[in-house]
Amino acid sequence: SAVISQKPSRDICQRGTSLTIQCQVDSQVTMMFWYRQQPGQSLTLIATANQGSEATYESGFVIDKFPISRPNLTFSTLTVSNMSPEDSSIYLCSVEDLGRANYGYTFGSGTRLTVV
Amino acid sequence: AQSVTQLDSQVPVFEEAPVELRCNYSSSVSVYLFWYVQYPNQGLQLLLKYLSGSTLVESINGFEAEFNKSQTSFHLRKPSVHISDTAEYFCAVSATTSGTYKYIFGTGTRLKVLA
Repeated sequence: SAVISQKPSRDICQRGTSLTIQCQVDSQVTMMFWYRQQPGQSLTLIATANQGSEATYESGFVIDKFPISRPNLTFSTLTVSNMSPEDSSIYLCSVEDLGRANYGYTFGSGTRLTVV
Repeated sequence: AQSVTQLDSQVPVFEEAPVELRCNYSSSVSVYLFWYVQYPNQGLQLLLKYLSGSTLVESINGFEAEFNKSQTSFHLRKPSVHISDTAEYFCAVSATTSGTYKYIFGTGTRLKVLA
């Protein structure tokens, strides 16, 4: 299975500022996914990031608020812009393992964001 | 559209007792089904999955889940739980619509194993 390094693991930020979360994969992957897990809730897909094209955002998420970069097949960043306390969540990146034996999604350990 | 329902938000159970975490899904197409576990302050880990073939799938730590197509369920079971099984468990469905795979998570079930 792919191994994902995600950082920072946690941060406390002031409202109105921005935070960029990095996700590094140890193998080349076509698609990378960004999820949000709000306190006490399940995971919600924010966007899908393909290398060489703009990210595809899910309903309720926009590029101005969550700009994503995907400069190569092993790396992606998610920025949470102009933060408010409602953005306090765990943010996770994920990749799809397409090998038959390993098929599933591998997740980074997450970034626990608190906005004050 | 696909959806996943985990009816139990929390399940307390005593150590060495059996447990079942329920998961029902809805989909008009064939699906892949997954259970993920999230230990406190950690990321998600794949616990087990159903892709095809045998409807009963097992994990290395004693959990099993059975795909029941007629009841559209994929309940997770363990005959004897340990304190270390305390975690959040998420059921997920992956299905393709219009050539694009969508991965939908349930709301999670918090399993608390009591001594």
